[in-house]
Amino acid sequence: DTEVTQTPKHLVMGMTNKKSLKCEQHMGHRAMYWYKQKAKKPPELMFVYSYEKLSINESVPSRFSPECPNSSLLNLHLHALQPEDSALYLCASRRPGTDPARALNTEAFFGQGTRLTVV
Amino acid sequence: QQQVKQSPQSLIVQKGGISIINCAYENTAFDYFPWYQQFPGKGPALLIAIRPDVSEKKEGRFTISFNKSAKQFSLHIMDSQPGDSATYFCAASMVADRGSTLGRLYFGRGTQLTVWP
Repeated sequence: DTEVTQTPKHLVMGMTNKKSLKCEQHMGHRAMYWYKQKAKKPPELMFVYSYEKLSINESVPSRFSPECPNSSLLNLHLHALQPEDSALYLCASRRPGTDPARALNTEAFFGQGTRLTVV
Repeated sequence: QQQVKQSPQSLIVQKGGISIINCAYENTAFDYFPWYQQFPGKGPALLIAIRPDVSEKKEGRFTISFNKSAKQFSLHIMDSQPGDSATYFCAASMVADRGSTLGRLYFGRGTQLTVWP
C-alpha cells in the first residue's frame, strides 16, 4: 500500500468558517508534509512533521494550524481564510531513518489533494 | 531563490517523438533527484528518481540522465504518447539527518507537456 489518502477532495468555505483537511497513510512513514499548490505553479512547502512533532513551519499564517494526532494522521485546521488561500492542498509522506545514507532520500508519496475554494 | 531551475516551461511534441525536459541546480548537498508527473486536479505522482552516483536510470520509456559535474539532470520520454500530456516537475532533496530540511523537496517550476496525436 503506497497510498496517501486526503479528504475531502473538494471544499468550499466562507471566510468566517472553520474547517479541517485530513491526510492518512499506513506506510509507516514518520515524516509528513503539507504543501500548497496554486494553478500552474510547483507545490510550496508549508509544514513538516517528523515523528509526530512539528519540525518546519515555512512562515505560514496562523489561520492554518497543523496537527499530527498519531503517526498515520495529519490534519490541517483552517480558520478565517482569505480568498487568496484558495489552492490545491497536498499532503505527502516519506520514510525517515537514522542511517544518513538512506535517511529521507526515499520516495515521497503525495495524496490527491484537497481543492479548497474560499468565498 | 529558485533552488532548481527547469526548462522549458512548455513543450509540444508529436506522438512517437522524444520529449526532453532539463533541470539544473546549484546546491551540491542535493543527493536525490525525483521527477513527478501531475495531471490536472491530481496530486504529483513519482515517475522516476536518481541519485548522483548514477549517470543514467531508465524505467520503461522514461530515462533520467544525470551530469554531476554540470549539476544538471534531464528527463527523456521516448515514444511520447498523448496520455503523457501532463505537467512534469523535477525536484531535489538532501540527506536530512544532518540538517534541518527533513527531506523537503525543492521543485522546479514545472513543464507542461502536450503530445499531439
